[in-house]
Amino acid sequence: DADVTQTPRNRITKTGKRIMLECSQTKGHDRMYWYRQDPGLGLRLIYYSFDVKDINKGEISDGYSVSRQAQAKFSLSLESAIPNQTALYFCATSDFISTGSNEQFFGPGTRLTVL
Amino acid sequence: KQEVTQIPAALSVPEGENLVLNCSFTDSAIYNLQWFRQDPGKGLTSLLLIQSSQREQTSGRLNASLDKSSGRSTLYIAASQPGDSATYLCAVPENSGGYQKVTFGTGTKLQVIP
Repeated sequence: DADVTQTPRNRITKTGKRIMLECSQTKGHDRMYWYRQDPGLGLRLIYYSFDVKDINKGEISDGYSVSRQAQAKFSLSLESAIPNQTALYFCATSDFISTGSNEQFFGPGTRLTVL
Repeated sequence: KQEVTQIPAALSVPEGENLVLNCSFTDSAIYNLQWFRQDPGKGLTSLLLIQSSQREQTSGRLNASLDKSSGRSTLYIAASQPGDSATYLCAVPENSGGYQKVTFGTGTKLQVIP
């Protein structure tokens, strides 16, 4: 499995603050994703990136932005956090270029609370 | 739009029992189906990936089947153990404008009672 790490693991912030969540992976997977998980709603895709120069919006991108600084790093920013962005955020990777598969490998998650 | 349903939402069984978790999807034009396990407050661990051309995939006490025509997959857990307690999710990628959009079910929360 890809070694996918996320920082921070927990974050409490206030409404209006700018927040950055970071994701790194060590297996050289080409694709990276950001999801949020809310109780009863499952996982929803925020942004995804096929490579450093290819970034795409997912189904719930409003209020979020991303940066793919390198193949191994994919950051998610909340420009002005609001309480309904309180959720569990996951980064995931897939090795599509080698396998042709979107099999997803997840990081441990970041629990974000916006007060 | 692909919809993925997992029923039941929660399941409680005594240790040692064999059990089946269900995953249904509405669009059978899938590439594969992936089963995950999620422990409370933690990330998702990939359990099994079944390609669309496969009918079954096995890993240890786990066996996943796929019936594309009926839009169903099942995850069979043999001889359940308390350590199997977790939420199990299925995920289905579909082609959406050249991207394999992955739709997740909301999961089945399993509790195995010692």
